[in-house]
Amino acid sequence: DQQVKQNSPSLSVQEGRISILNCDYTNSMFDYFLWYKKYPAEGPTFLISISSIKDKNEDGRFTVFLNKSAKHLSLHIVPSQPGDSAVYFCAASVSDYKLSFGAGTTVTVRA
Amino acid sequence: NAGVTQTPKFRILKIGQSMTLQCAQDMNHNYMYWYRQDPGMGLKLIYYSVGAGITDKGEVPNGYNVSRSTTEDFPLRLELAAPSQTSVYFCASSGGGRLSNEQYFGPGTRLTVT
Repeated sequence: DQQVKQNSPSLSVQEGRISILNCDYTNSMFDYFLWYKKYPAEGPTFLISISSIKDKNEDGRFTVFLNKSAKHLSLHIVPSQPGDSAVYFCAASVSDYKLSFGAGTTVTVRA
Repeated sequence: NAGVTQTPKFRILKIGQSMTLQCAQDMNHNYMYWYRQDPGMGLKLIYYSVGAGITDKGEVPNGYNVSRSTTEDFPLRLELAAPSQTSVYFCASSGGGRLSNEQYFGPGTRLTVT
């Protein structure tokens, strides 16, 4: 039973434009959400997170939005750069350290 | 500061063989985790540890064992390898409290069982 879903396996975007990655979850007890970025042959690296008490968190070019009523979060990357080409995983937890991951979205930034 | 290290990077096992995947971290983190990632899937938690001497099962523990005798090391043991254990294995660690969700990952071990 997949509690965190990333329904778009891939996304292609032109350099300089906005990338929007989406994530849906089914467990209403999730209270902390994270995005990880993964390059080939490397482990995932933490990118940005948001607590359920907020609806937006910003860090440089990366912004995460949380819509609790829709059980939906999104990651915006503005502007997209070639180095952003990677797999992005959405993850969530229930007041603890055990993360449930989505299947990932592969982002390709075109020059 | 090497972060989280894993050995080996690649391994091919025959069905029924056993092996240990090594994981070490030098960040003095109490929390450590083992995940597996199958093609097109997210990471699934195999086992985790909240400190030396304490381990617990995650979502997919069958066929695996772990131990945590020190803060730094968290080896994963595969007994009687099966083709279903072909996967990429990631070890991770995190600090406690509010930082426990922000996990640091190793580079992974790609395991093939034939």
